[in-house]
Amino acid sequence: GESVGLHLPTLSVQEGDNSIINCAYSNSASDYFIWYKQESGKGPQFIIDIRSNMDKRQGQRVTVLLNKTVKHLSLQIAATQPGDSAVYFCAENIAQGGSEKLVFGKGTKLTVNP
Amino acid sequence: DVKVTQSSRYLVKRTGEKVFLECVQDMDHENMFWYRQDPGLGLRLIYFSYDVKMKEKGDIPEGYSVSREKKERFSLILESASTNQTSMYLCASSLIRQSEAFFGQGTRLTVV
Repeated sequence: GESVGLHLPTLSVQEGDNSIINCAYSNSASDYFIWYKQESGKGPQFIIDIRSNMDKRQGQRVTVLLNKTVKHLSLQIAATQPGDSAVYFCAENIAQGGSEKLVFGKGTKLTVNP
Repeated sequence: DVKVTQSSRYLVKRTGEKVFLECVQDMDHENMFWYRQDPGLGLRLIYFSYDVKMKEKGDIPEGYSVSREKKERFSLILESASTNQTSMYLCASSLIRQSEAFFGQGTRLTVV
């Protein structure tokens, strides 16, 4: 069955460093991917997305890379700040029935040390 | 801004009770989703709906049902609550296919 997983459940970085969060997916038919950030006590919030016809997309301080050959997704955060501390989830979009569903990974907890 | 509102932040129910979790979105979104979130397991999809009165099973539908009588409202129903349904429940909506989903704040349900 489909699965979206993360290589590391926790990541600790120093403030100002770059962070890289990885994600593996198993469904080669997935055509759209999203990264979410979840702070304590809140619902997940959209960070950045990428479609399967792209291999890189940049936002403000964040970059998502997609490698369809090895079914791997990564989120890079530049100059990580304490406010970036959160759990990060990747999600893949999978067609089902007449619509599509988002399947989430288990999440990576990012801790930024001052 | 898109707003997804879940009716309760915290809920305590007894085993065997019928439980309704309500979700309303105010942006005329087509798609709505119910997830549960448990430590170490991430977000798991229970049910989703892409149109009024339409529903699709997610990955863990057992013990749950849903109702979507109006476009803006998607209800999750626990027919007979059990302790293993103690969890954080998250509702989300999205406008079209291949678009971001917006989440509510979540309902922390405890079944005793």
